[in-house]
Amino acid sequence: ETGVTQTPRHLVMGMTNKKSLKCEQHLGHNAMYWYKQSAKKPLELMFVYSLEERVENNSVPSRFSPECPNSSHLFLHLHTLQPEDSALYLCASSQETGQGFDNEKLFFGSGTQLSVL
Amino acid sequence: RKEVEQDPGPFNVPEGATVAFNCTYSNSASQSFFWYRQDCRKEPKLLMSVYSSGNEDGRFTAQLNRASQYISLLIRDSKLSDSATYLCVVGRGSSNTGKLIFGQGTTLQVKP
Repeated sequence: ETGVTQTPRHLVMGMTNKKSLKCEQHLGHNAMYWYKQSAKKPLELMFVYSLEERVENNSVPSRFSPECPNSSHLFLHLHTLQPEDSALYLCASSQETGQGFDNEKLFFGSGTQLSVL
Repeated sequence: RKEVEQDPGPFNVPEGATVAFNCTYSNSASQSFFWYRQDCRKEPKLLMSVYSSGNEDGRFTAQLNRASQYISLLIRDSKLSDSATYLCVVGRGSSNTGKLIFGQGTTLQVKP
């Protein structure tokens, strides 16, 4: 069993659809993240939850809506997306101790490859 | 200037070669540094942390130069299985969660 599992692996949706991405971590970590990876671009941090509280929202459009019901689960709700939102969406988790260096190692899920038509 | 900058490559090398990647970062307050490896269509995975004194893990050596604000990754005796994209990751230097900045990645192709 992998440490961070994401579903679905692939998703094709129309611009008027509503869908959700799911992430579950089995590592006992206290922080979870959503990243977006577009072709030939660096990973972009979208949302961070630490101890189930959202601590960062990097100016992400409101058509992306995260939900963190507990420390092990993270969702990304999608609605009225645009074709430019097509990308690989990666969930990650980490154990944050607030002590900085070497406590920031991220463990990623296998990602959801999203195509918006 | 990008916060974390890498030469995207690709670096094409024969098996057994030694190859080195550099990465520069702009925030002098950064305190944590990592190399991640990402295979095609897969998620990034931590390769190694980078310590001030430099560190080695088998065929991989990472070094940090704070004065010039760059980190490097050296791979000796390249294997076909080393073919991947190597991501330079740097901490922002703040106390907030989620403070890692990813570079674009450097692609390595090891040829037989």
